[in-house]
Amino acid sequence: LAKTTQPISMDSYEGQEVNITCSHNNIATNDYITWYQQFPSQGPRFIIQGYKTKVTNEVASLFIPADRKSSTLSLPRVSLSDTAVYYCLVGISSNTGKLIFGQGTTLQVKP
Amino acid sequence: EAGVAQSPRYKIIEKRQSVAFWCNPISGHATLYWYQQILGQGPKLLIQFQNNGVVDDSQLPKDRFSAERLKGVDSTLKIQPAKLEDSAVYLCASSLGGWTESYNEQFFGPGTRLTVL
Repeated sequence: LAKTTQPISMDSYEGQEVNITCSHNNIATNDYITWYQQFPSQGPRFIIQGYKTKVTNEVASLFIPADRKSSTLSLPRVSLSDTAVYYCLVGISSNTGKLIFGQGTTLQVKP
Repeated sequence: EAGVAQSPRYKIIEKRQSVAFWCNPISGHATLYWYQQILGQGPKLLIQFQNNGVVDDSQLPKDRFSAERLKGVDSTLKIQPAKLEDSAVYLCASSLGGWTESYNEQFFGPGTRLTVL
């Protein structure tokens, strides 16, 4: 399963767009890229998943370049409630569904 | 739809005591996971069940940790005896897909915060 690298922390202000980039240089051909969000005292929550190009849902967009060695989670117009830890995961095993969490990016949204 | 239920939410014990956590996954979810999350770190998978069979327990400290999934539904995780380093949040998650699915969204419960004194 591919190792991921993402910033430890980021700060933003309400109403701004936030982009969190994750690098995964040794991503395998059939690996998916998945992002989870975790609030304090809660379990992680699925945000978005993609394989290539761009994926958008009601809460975020995921941009994946052609070489797939990195990906960017984009949160439009963040609010204080988006303050959380964001985890980038690569290579959900097609054999076990196993998730490998890294340290994540702590996003602090300020008023 | 009800989410993943866990109990208790908090537990404080002394080292060398025993403790058990309970998890009720989302109805119909075949796969159940137990994770350990130490403060400041991402969750670490301890054990994964597919129905009532173990798929992966490679990171479960088997000398003190045990887990079972009763009739392929509820699950319990036990620690006996507990050590100071077991202080963490224990998260249970479940997913609908089987272990061959390449997309397998996991739904997490609120966790049990264990403090070992």
